[in-house]
Amino acid sequence: QKEVEQDPGPLSVPEGAIVSLNCTYSNSAFQYFMWYRQYSRKGPELLMYTYSSGNKEDGRFTAQVDKSSKYISLFIRDSQPSDSATYLCAIANTGNQFYFGTGTSLTVIP
Amino acid sequence: DTEVTQTPKHLVMGMTNKKSLKCEQHMGHRAMYWYKQKAKKPPELMFVYSYEKLSINESVPSRFSPECPNSSLLNLHLHALQPEDSALYLCASSQDRTEIYGYTFGSGTRLTVV
Repeated sequence: QKEVEQDPGPLSVPEGAIVSLNCTYSNSAFQYFMWYRQYSRKGPELLMYTYSSGNKEDGRFTAQVDKSSKYISLFIRDSQPSDSATYLCAIANTGNQFYFGTGTSLTVIP
Repeated sequence: DTEVTQTPKHLVMGMTNKKSLKCEQHMGHRAMYWYKQKAKKPPELMFVYSYEKLSINESVPSRFSPECPNSSLLNLHLHALQPEDSALYLCASSQDRTEIYGYTFGSGTRLTVV
C-alpha cells in the first residue's frame, strides 16, 4: 500500500468552477500536509501547507485536513486558466519521511 | 535570491557518455536534494545532502554519482546511463533537513538517454 494515494485525473473544468482535489494517506503518524503545484516543464512549487487537522485559506485556495479519515483536500474557487497544472499532495512527519502523491492534472477551460 | 538554478535545462546523451548536472542556490540552505521524475509520476527522492555530507542515498545505481562541492552547489555525475534513466531531474533545497515546508525546487534538467 502506498503511503499516499491521489486520483491522477485528468480533471477538466470550465473557468469559474470550484475544483476539489483529494488525497488519502495510510499512516496516522503523518502530521504535515502540503500541496504543490507543478506547471509543465517546471519544478513543483509549494502552494499551501497545514499542520495536523483543520482548514487553511489563502485567497482562492483552501487546504483541508481530516486526520480522523486520513483525508486531505485542496479547493480552488473561481478557477482560472492559469490554474491549469498538476497538483501534488505531500505528507511528512518529524522523522524526515516525505512522500508525494502521484499528482492530479487539472485543465481549466476558458 | 530565492531560486534554485539548474543547468543544463535539456541534455541528450549516449549510453557511453559522461555528463554532469549542476544545481546552485544562494539562499543559505544547508540541505540539498536530487529527485527523479518520470512523466505523469511524482518526484522520487534519490539523494539528500545535509551540511555538505551525503545523508540519504535511496539505493540509487552507481551510474549516478552525487557531489556537493560547497554549501551552494550540488552536482549529479552521470555515466553509462540506460534509456530508462530518461527523466526530469529535479534539485531542491531547504533551510535544513527539519524544515519540512521549505523545499524550493529548481525547474529541472530534462535528460534523454539515447
